[in-house]
Amino acid sequence: DVKVTQSSRYLVKRTGEKVFLECVQDMDHENMFWYRQDPGLGLRLIYFSYDVKMKEKGDIPEGYSVSREKKERFSLILESASTNQTSMYLCASSPRPGSTDTQYFGPGTRLTVL
Amino acid sequence: GDSVTQMEGPVTLSEEAFLTINCTYTATGYPSLFWYVQYPGEGLQLLLKATKADDKGSNKGFEATYRKETTSFHLEKGSVQVSDSAVYFCALHQAGTALIFGKGTTLSVSS
Repeated sequence: DVKVTQSSRYLVKRTGEKVFLECVQDMDHENMFWYRQDPGLGLRLIYFSYDVKMKEKGDIPEGYSVSREKKERFSLILESASTNQTSMYLCASSPRPGSTDTQYFGPGTRLTVL
Repeated sequence: GDSVTQMEGPVTLSEEAFLTINCTYTATGYPSLFWYVQYPGEGLQLLLKATKADDKGSNKGFEATYRKETTSFHLEKGSVQVSDSAVYFCALHQAGTALIFGKGTTLSVSS
């Protein structure tokens, strides 16, 4: 069965802290994605990656960076957390770059920045 | 650019009622269309999909038909259950681009 896991379900951090959100998939998928989900705004794409060490900006990359050193792992980094980054963060993966394959989602990390 | 518009919620129904959640899209080209569902406390999971005009996706009693002429992909279920309470997202996907989601519709079903 397809599996995407995220390192934490709930996280509380302070303003200015550096925050790492980890995502791991066990399906040998090429593509990985980071979204944030906010009430009334739906899901917005932050960054995605279609290969190891490759990354592309999504719709709202400001204040975030990503790292993909291994195919199965995609990390989202908040360099200096701010209160407006309080949100639900969802990681997803899909098999093939350039296709419309189904994306598989992790359970999400609810981040609160105080 | 491409976009998805779905009806705003919340939608509140009694068990066994008929459900429709409207979804329309704007896109150049020929996207694939999806409905994802998010149960409380969980991530999104695929509910159904359709990849070309007139295709009907179906799963767990839910159905949606890809209507190119009306640029719509409305979600329907003949008889909802309490366990269907969730947030439903319509999405479109063109090859080589990222998924584009609607804002989500919350469904609440009471017994």
